[in-house]
Amino acid sequence: EAGVVQSPRYKIIEKKQPVAFWCNPISGHNTLYWYLQNLGQGPELLIRYENEEAVDDSQLPKDRFSAERLKGVDSTLKIQPAELGDSAVYLCASSLRGNTEAFFGQGTRLTVV
Amino acid sequence: GESVGLHLPTLSVQEGDNSIINCAYSNSASDYFIWYKQESGKGPQFIIDIRSNMDKRQGQRVTVLLNKTVKHLSLQIAATQPGDSAVYFCAVNSGYSTLTFGKGTMLLVSP
Repeated sequence: EAGVVQSPRYKIIEKKQPVAFWCNPISGHNTLYWYLQNLGQGPELLIRYENEEAVDDSQLPKDRFSAERLKGVDSTLKIQPAELGDSAVYLCASSLRGNTEAFFGQGTRLTVV
Repeated sequence: GESVGLHLPTLSVQEGDNSIINCAYSNSASDYFIWYKQESGKGPQFIIDIRSNMDKRQGQRVTVLLNKTVKHLSLQIAATQPGDSAVYFCAVNSGYSTLTFGKGTMLLVSP
């Protein structure tokens, strides 16, 4: 069974440019998470979806970050415009439903220069 | 909100020793706990989980202990191997809310 797939693995952009990350969760998983991980820190939630509904986006900086999960499967996370402080690893995870084990993708390492 | 902390940022052990990694949480309503292993350049990998109706759960070479009285959980790795070297995170869930992660403990295993 394929795991959570994220692309791209690495992205380098100049500040003020837009960037988008894509996630394909494990088949059948209703819950999808986007996490941000800074160097030496644990993952921090950006947004959680139950099917196509964003049920927890309280930590998403909505002035520049947006996300969507059309049809309740794949998801994209966008930053526009990117800032230097957005440099981090963006992790996508999925689980059958909330309150069960979440499986992570390999992440996208973003560098903003 | 939930606050999750780990007691020790780095743990160095010899191959073959048993390792114990600790985690504390703040929300007494937390009811689901997961330990993850993260190797360099990879996403966190599920190791073992435990629910609040249990105080111990065992897997292959790993054991998780949960003490709800003091809001503490630990991960024990038996006969630690060099391949166990990684950063270990505990993650805590309250009800159907989101998993909250601790900062992580780096386990270094020397041969």
